[in-house]
Parts: sequence; structure tokens; C-alpha cells
Amino acid sequence: ETGVTQSPTHLIKTRGQQVTLRCSSQSGHNTVSWYQQALGQGPQFIFQYYREEENGRGNFPPRFSGLQFPNYSSELNVNALELDDSALYLCASTRGGGRAWNEQFFGPGTRLTVL
Amino acid sequence: TQLLEQSPQFLSIQEGENLTVYCNSSSVFSSLQWYRQEPGEGPVLLVTVVTGGEVKKLKRLTFQFGDARKDSSLHITAAQPGDTGLYLCAGVEETSGSRLTFGEGTQLTVNP
Repeated sequence: ETGVTQSPTHLIKTRGQQVTLRCSSQSGHNTVSWYQQALGQGPQFIFQYYREEENGRGNFPPRFSGLQFPNYSSELNVNALELDDSALYLCASTRGGGRAWNEQFFGPGTRLTVL
Repeated sequence: TQLLEQSPQFLSIQEGENLTVYCNSSSVFSSLQWYRQEPGEGPVLLVTVVTGGEVKKLKRLTFQFGDARKDSSLHITAAQPGDTGLYLCAGVEETSGSRLTFGEGTQLTVNP
């Protein structure tokens, strides 16, 4: 069984640029969630995708957007990058459309640095 | 305001000592999960607790979910250097589907 994978591992961008991060969910999982983890803090929920539709969103501005594809992989897009967007971006997958008791499995993350 | 208050934030102990990490909230959770995270990696799930009062053991780690499902604790017995890492609690609120709300984490260092 393949776990959650993310690409790229590291990324450096400058303010104002746009970035796309990618996630492949664990085999059999149809729900993907994205989290932002700033240095020294716990992860913060960005949004969740289930069957290619957004299924819940945290307190992040519209310049954070996403997609889920028919194979359940997902992308996180961030436009007009700001310095505060520097963080570890984590993808987590689960099965079952996001029921509370379903365990989420995290990928290794993408470390984004905005200069 | 942090929905989940985790304490202590930092803990440095000697090998063989015992420790407890606390996770408290005013909200009720459908489930609560504990993760361990190494630098530069994603969190790895240790345990999920669902029932109020539930106690789960994983070798030297004991996890407890409060009776009211608002708080949880992680107790490690005879800590080892390999236990070093960031411990995160994360709750799922009853109305939020599977969205995880994380505490800020406890950075544990076990010195040989």
C-alpha cells in the first residue's frame, strides 16, 4: 500500500509569485485535506476535498485554492505569495468523505520559503 | 485563541523519567488524535480516542480521553532518547466532519 506522497520537497519563491503543490493520496483514500504548519506551531487546516469538490475550508484567504482529480490526487495553489506564507504544507488523506472517526494519514510535506 | 491548549510547550528530561503532556479545550470533540512529528516530516498518527473516559496503551505510552471529551493526556513511562520529537494533539469537533484542529505541540527532548 502506497502512502501519501507530496512534491516538491522544498521550494523557494519570491513575494508576489504563484506556487502549485501536489499530493497523491494513500491507496483507497478519496478525501484529501491540506494544512499549513508555520515554524514552531501546530498545523492549521486550509481546506478539504472529497470527490473533486471542496468540502470545508479554514480561515485562509481566497488566494489559497485547490483541486482534486478523479484519481483523488490534489493540488494546492497559492497566488500572490506573501512572506508569511513560508511554512511546511502538509497533505493528509482519509477515506469515507471526512467522517470524524476516520484516521488521517499525512505526507512528508512541502517546505515553502518565500523571500 | 487556540482551540486546543497543549502543555507544556517544551520538555527536556533525562532518560528513564516519566512525563505527561496535556491537551485541553472548552469544546467537545468527536475524536482526538495524538501525533508525533520529526523535523522536516509529516505528523505520524500514534492513536485515536473516541469514547469519553477511554484509555489506550501503546507500549510505554498511555493515552486518556476525558469523560466529557474535552481533554486528553499522553503519559510516557521510562522515556528513551528515541521518544524525542514534537507531540501534537488534534481534535475533530462534532460539527466539522473530519477537519483536525491541532494544539501547538509539545517539543520533547530525552537526554541520554
